[in-house]
Amino acid sequence: QVQLVESGGGVVQPGRSLRLSCAASGFTFSSYGMHWVRQAPGRGLEWVAVIWYGGSDKYYADSVKGRCTISRDNSKNTVYLQMNSLRAEDTAVYYCARDNGGYTYVDYWGQGTLVTVSS
Amino acid sequence: DIQMTQSPSSLSASVGDRVTITCRASQSITTYLHWYQQKPGKAPKLLIYTASSLQSGVPSRFSGSGSGTDFTLTISSLQPEDFATYYCQQSYSSPQWTFGQGTKVEIK
Repeated sequence: QVQLVESGGGVVQPGRSLRLSCAASGFTFSSYGMHWVRQAPGRGLEWVAVIWYGGSDKYYADSVKGRCTISRDNSKNTVYLQMNSLRAEDTAVYYCARDNGGYTYVDYWGQGTLVTVSS
Repeated sequence: DIQMTQSPSSLSASVGDRVTITCRASQSITTYLHWYQQKPGKAPKLLIYTASSLQSGVPSRFSGSGSGTDFTLTISSLQPEDFATYYCQQSYSSPQWTFGQGTKVEIK
């Protein structure tokens, strides 16, 4: 069965960096686009970034553009989110999510990893 | 940017009630509209894709309709496990998606 397991969250000071990882299993990872979606405490869902199945194309929400980089290693079935210059408003649960195959919706989600930006 | 507005933001209903949640887009998104259910402390779960297609394994009491700018998620007979927050999401402007703000369905 499809499994997505995020790691790398934690408490980080404003201005610092953090890298999130998402290990995938149960499907042909290299055939699917992958997304990061976040949810601030008590708030709604916010799409963050997507990477095409081969890694050639990447797109970002305006709120993270220039500060975050999405990447993937298809040999390790893992997608990453490098977050730099972190701000308090980046505090959220970050979900790794599998694209349906047409870049239209998410069909599988990870359990999420919490990032807290605080001094 | 395409804005998605859900209404109501919350509602109280009883088991067995028919529940309707509305999602409105700031411009036409044809049928690039999808619905998710999220329970506290859990990841979202896909319910409906492309406005009206039921995701595999989702009970048939859930249904979706609409096109253009106005969409509806209906739960025909609310069950105890349906108390959750529901989100719509547009992918017309793919690859940059936007979600609605959510509708919390609570027990009356």
